[in-house]
Amino acid sequence: GNSVTQMEGPVTLSEEAFLTINCTYTATGYPSLFWYVQYPGEGLQLLLKATKADDKGSNKGFEATYRKETTSFHLEKGSVQVSDSAVYFCALSANTGGFKTIFGAGTRLFVKA
Amino acid sequence: GAVVSQHPSWVICKSGTSVKIECRSLDFQATTMFWYRQFPKQSLMLMATSNEGSKATYEQGVEKDKFLINHASLTLSTLTVTSAHPEDSSFYICSARRDRGPYNEQFFGPGTRLTVL
Repeated sequence: GNSVTQMEGPVTLSEEAFLTINCTYTATGYPSLFWYVQYPGEGLQLLLKATKADDKGSNKGFEATYRKETTSFHLEKGSVQVSDSAVYFCALSANTGGFKTIFGAGTRLFVKA
Repeated sequence: GAVVSQHPSWVICKSGTSVKIECRSLDFQATTMFWYRQFPKQSLMLMATSNEGSKATYEQGVEKDKFLINHASLTLSTLTVTSAHPEDSSFYICSARRDRGPYNEQFFGPGTRLTVL
């Protein structure tokens, strides 16, 4: 079945540090890939998405490139802020899974001032 | 656009009582909605897919008699936790798929925190 694996957290960085959160996936068909962010006590917000190979999703300084050859969708940001502290979920949705969204385990990010 | 609301945002109830959670798509129609459960510091677990006008499809291991889902209109789905017990305490999140939009895109509600005493 379809699945998503992302790096375990927590990840602790200082402000302005470079962020990478790794995400790999397993899927048949042609999945779309997503990154969601969850701030404390809140629901999920879509951060960015990519729907086909080599697409780059970007938003609020975050980027992720859909790499079919490595089945990866790593999240990056060049300079994190304290306000970026949250839990980040990598996810996929594929026609082979009835377009249900499958989430990774989530990676908690702490950014220190 | 594409806003999903949930009500209530939090609820505390006594063991044995039933609790209803509403999920509304505020500015779009959603034939399909999804209900997720999230335990502390864990990922989202899909509980069921809710389809307007038909029975919900439950994921393996989810008790359909325990978690009743009703999708009465194109903008409203409800999840009722029947005879709630402390182990049902969790964060429940719904999402909605826009009828006129990418089939793989969902919009999430803010979640409902249920605490069963």
